[in-house]
Amino acid sequence: EVQLLESGGGLIQPGGSLRLSCAGSGFTFSYYAMSWVRQTPGKGLEWVSTIYGSGETTYYADSVKGRFTISRDNSQNTLFLQMNSLRAEDTALYYCAKGWGSGSFPFDYWGQGTLVTVSS
Amino acid sequence: EIVLTQSPATLSLSPGERATLSCRASQSVGSYVAWYQQKPGQAPRLLIYDASNRATGVPARFSGSGSGTDFTLTISSLEPEDFAVYFCQQRSNWPPITFGQGTRLEIK
Repeated sequence: EVQLLESGGGLIQPGGSLRLSCAGSGFTFSYYAMSWVRQTPGKGLEWVSTIYGSGETTYYADSVKGRFTISRDNSQNTLFLQMNSLRAEDTALYYCAKGWGSGSFPFDYWGQGTLVTVSS
Repeated sequence: EIVLTQSPATLSLSPGERATLSCRASQSVGSYVAWYQQKPGQAPRLLIYDASNRATGVPARFSGSGSGTDFTLTISSLEPEDFAVYFCQQRSNWPPITFGQGTRLEIK
């Protein structure tokens, strides 16, 4: 059974940093592209970043480019999102999601999410 | 950036009725549209990929259609567990990939 378990969320002050993790199991982690997607009541679902299976290719939404870094440790079946220079508008529930088949999209499995709150 | 507009925002129907949800793209996305279902407190669940292909385990009452800019998710006969929020997503010419704002399907 495919499982994705996020961790690392919490309350952080504006300008601070946070590192999210997503542990995958039940599938060959290194074979699949992985992504982070965030959700807020006001903006709905927003794609944040994607990393290919090898970890060599990454993509970012303009809203986080230069501040967030996606990475993965295939030996530990874990996906990461390093978030720096956090802003109030980064407050959201962050999901990790697995790419379907040989592509990056759509997302066939999602974690339950980890909540990030940026506030002073 | 390709904008997806879903309509209606809220759809009120009764179990057994047919539901038709729309997703319109600001420019052609070919057939690169997926549909997700989200229930309260849960992550989204993939229903349809590439406009018309049902994901593994998705009941046959769910079907998708469309190409170019206009897409439809149809639920042929609503079951109680189908009342949820539905999102469309496009992956044409990414990044970025984008989502629609969602349609809430509620019990009438």
